[in-house]
Amino acid sequence: EVQLLESGGGLVQPGGSLRLSCVVSGFTFSSYAMNWVRQAPGKGLEWVSTISGIGSSTYYADSVKGRFTISRDNSKNTVYLQMNSLRAEDTALYYCAKGRLSFGASDAFDIWGQGTVVTVSS
Amino acid sequence: DIQMTQSPSSLSASVGDRVTITCQASQDISNYLNWYQQKPGKAPILLIYDASNLQTGVPSRFSGSGSGTDFTFTISSLQPEDTATYYCQQHDNLFTFGPGTKVDIK
Repeated sequence: EVQLLESGGGLVQPGGSLRLSCVVSGFTFSSYAMNWVRQAPGKGLEWVSTISGIGSSTYYADSVKGRFTISRDNSKNTVYLQMNSLRAEDTALYYCAKGRLSFGASDAFDIWGQGTVVTVSS
Repeated sequence: DIQMTQSPSSLSASVGDRVTITCQASQDISNYLNWYQQKPGKAPILLIYDASNLQTGVPSRFSGSGSGTDFTFTISSLQPEDTATYYCQQHDNLFTFGPGTKVDIK
């Protein structure tokens, strides 16, 4: 069974940092791009970042570019999201999601975790 | 950046009704359009990829069509368990989600 389990969320002050982790099981991790998507309370979905299967390519939404860094450790079946210079508007439920295609660009997100909550507040 | 719009923002329909949601892209995205379902308190589920392809395991009452800038998502016979918010997503240039359409039962 494919599973994605996010962790690392919490309460952080504006300007602070947090690192999210997503541990996966049930598929050949290194073959798939991985993604982070967030959802602010009561709002819609917002794509945050994508990393290719081998980690050589990364992509970011303009809203987080220069502040967030996505990475992965294929030996640990884990994808990370390092979040720096956090702002109140980064408050959201952060989902990790698997890309649908193997060995290709991420096109759709076919498996999602249950998310981890990040709250940025003083 | 590619912007996505959806209409309506919400709808209420009866069990068995045919339900249609439209999604429009701000520029031509070919068929690079996906549809997701999200129930309250749950993670989204991929229903349709590349405009018209049904994801494995998804009931056949769900379908999608369109290309270019205009897309349609249809539930052929609405069921109580289809109460959810539906999002379109383009993947022609990175990713952008639409604002969502909330569907409930009348």
